Amino acid sequence: SQQGEEDPQALSIQEGENATMNCSYKTSINNLQWYRQNSGRGLVHLILIRSNEREKHSGRLRVTLDTSKKSSSLLITASRAADTASYFCATDPPGGSEKLVFGKGTKLTVNP
Amino acid sequence: DAGVTQSPTHLIKTRGQQVTLRCSPKSGHDTVSWYQQALGQGPQFIFQYYEEEERQRGNFPDRFSGHQFPNYSSELNVNALLLGDSALYLCASSRRVGASLETQYFGPGTRLLVL
Repeated sequence: SQQGEEDPQALSIQEGENATMNCSYKTSINNLQWYRQNSGRGLVHLILIRSNEREKHSGRLRVTLDTSKKSSSLLITASRAADTASYFCATDPPGGSEKLVFGKGTKLTVNP
Repeated sequence: DAGVTQSPTHLIKTRGQQVTLRCSPKSGHDTVSWYQQALGQGPQFIFQYYEEEERQRGNFPDRFSGHQFPNYSSELNVNALLLGDSALYLCASSRRVGASLETQYFGPGTRLLVL
């Protein structure tokens, strides 16, 4: 079953704008990760945030985590057409299960 | 340094047949996980192999089985294929450090179509 739910399901913006995607999950977690997938190909790891962290940056990416609300957000600043992809959040539940539980993803389209 | 590789890239089978998918992990990685991704959905965990043993299993029937070899590469076998097995099958590798895993890196996937 899916653990995370990304919101919105689809997002269309213009190049240069910022894109914000949200993820909600149901159970407690060890960490939360964001992945990108281009056109049904393999997943590319973007960023990992641990349950004791609140915010993390990597280049144009900013991830926040609110464990009290069981939610995370991914912000892509100054978007480019090459950012067009599906974005998934994945949680790693505590207890050493080590399997990633993915949401259904947000399909981002960046128009040139 | 080669990343995670999978073969074949595409495969067409008919109902009832059997299929074997292969995965070579990233150099230095010892753990392989398999995921199934249906169209429009997120990946779903099938199972994970470490030290040539199945360590974790998701909610998949026994028709799905696997193997890990001494060189850490892995195979996913699916018997008695159903139309619903049509999906992108993703392999992810990672390195175990103590009791936990580092980041999982995914291969490009094998797209399986069952007719």
